[in-house]
Amino acid sequence: AAGVIQSPRHLIKEKRETATLKCYPISRHDTVYWYQQGPGQDPQFLISFYEKMQSDKGSIPDRFSAQQFSDYHSELNMSSLELGDSALYFCASSLKALGVGANVLTFGAGSRLTVL
Amino acid sequence: GENVEQHPSTLSVQEGDSAVIKCTYSDSASNYFPWYKQELGKGPQLIIDIRSNVGEKKDQRIAVTLNKTAKHFSLHITETQPEDSAVYFCAASIAGSYQLTFGKGTKLSVIP
Repeated sequence: AAGVIQSPRHLIKEKRETATLKCYPISRHDTVYWYQQGPGQDPQFLISFYEKMQSDKGSIPDRFSAQQFSDYHSELNMSSLELGDSALYFCASSLKALGVGANVLTFGAGSRLTVL
Repeated sequence: GENVEQHPSTLSVQEGDSAVIKCTYSDSASNYFPWYKQELGKGPQLIIDIRSNVGEKKDQRIAVTLNKTAKHFSLHITETQPEDSAVYFCAASIAGSYQLTFGKGTKLSVIP
């Protein structure tokens, strides 16, 4: 079965440019998450969406925005790029847990953004 | 918010030996603890998880133990193989929460 698909896999941008990353979740998964991982760092939670509505927000800069579309794919838009935005960006998806269940995340392979 | 500490940051073992990675968490409300393996250039891959109503879980060569009182949990890999070499992350969340808080990672090297 296909996993979480992210595109592009690699992206090079100049400072102050904009970038858009796309994520296609596993079929029938209704929740999408975005994480940022700097070099040698642990993944940091940015934002999540459940049924096309923002469900939680982490350390996402105001310059970034994201949305989930009717087909459940998600896009992360990054504007006014800074050198510090260079990182791996991971999308993950899950089925929303029922009751006290846990959301079990499956991660994509990531998109590597380099800002020059 | 939740804070997860992970030790050691690097670990080298001989092939066939066991490896143990330990994590502590700060939020007593956390009740879901997954472990991820990340190979170079790839996304984190879930290898095992445990919920707070269970003290131990095992899947072949991998086991996780949880001590709720002490707020720590550990990953045990037995009979290590070179393909176990990777960075391992522990994480914690409140079940149903959308946020996972990760530890800083442990780079495991299995020496043939």
